[in-house]
Amino acid sequence: DVVVTQSPPSLPVTLGQPASISCRSSESLVYADGKTYLSWFQQRPGQSPRRLIYEVSNRDSGVPDRFSGSGSDTDFTLKISGVEADDVGVYYCMQGKHWPSFGQGTRLQIK
Amino acid sequence: EVQLVESGGGLVQPGGSLRLSCAASGFTFSNYWMHWVRQVPGKGLVWVARINSAGTIANYADSLKGRFTISRDNAKNSVYLQMNSLRVEDTALYYCVRDAVGGLVDYWGQGALVTVSS
Repeated sequence: DVVVTQSPPSLPVTLGQPASISCRSSESLVYADGKTYLSWFQQRPGQSPRRLIYEVSNRDSGVPDRFSGSGSDTDFTLKISGVEADDVGVYYCMQGKHWPSFGQGTRLQIK
Repeated sequence: EVQLVESGGGLVQPGGSLRLSCAASGFTFSNYWMHWVRQVPGKGLVWVARINSAGTIANYADSLKGRFTISRDNAKNSVYLQMNSLRVEDTALYYCVRDAVGGLVDYWGQGALVTVSS
């Protein structure tokens, strides 16, 4: 099975400062069609997860442009250019190449 | 607007059964695979099962095979999760989730809480 490892598990950030979350896969996430399928989700306290990024770097509708995704093959990153109070929550990456699986989550909090 | 509304959660004794339902709206349900994902309160997301658009193919997390069954009724725009031989460790919030390209997911319901306790 594909294992997805996120880091760090906890991320204290000062308001307005950038944040970066890493997601590493045990296998390449490049599919037979040549595309790479990895998504990022945000789960605010008490809410259901919400997709932010799909296919590594595409932002969903309504997602602020301070969120960006990048990476390739087995190494991926979610970046927030300037953290706002509204960004507090847990962030998960997800792969679906074999059986779907999620990273362990990164809890973003304001320092 | 895509909406997924779970129901059927509750308190059940160990060894008991429960059936979760998810009513979908806002999209052509019969065109999409559907998933269930669970989350123990305060913990991470765990994929449970998925079913193809016709209801003829179902996949399960290895640890749940044989106890959980996913099904759907396209006429009712609904997907179901039958959970048997429930264990204390099955206590979680169960989310109904729509499939997205690449075996991933996009829209989530609000979740149905299942508590297994004597």
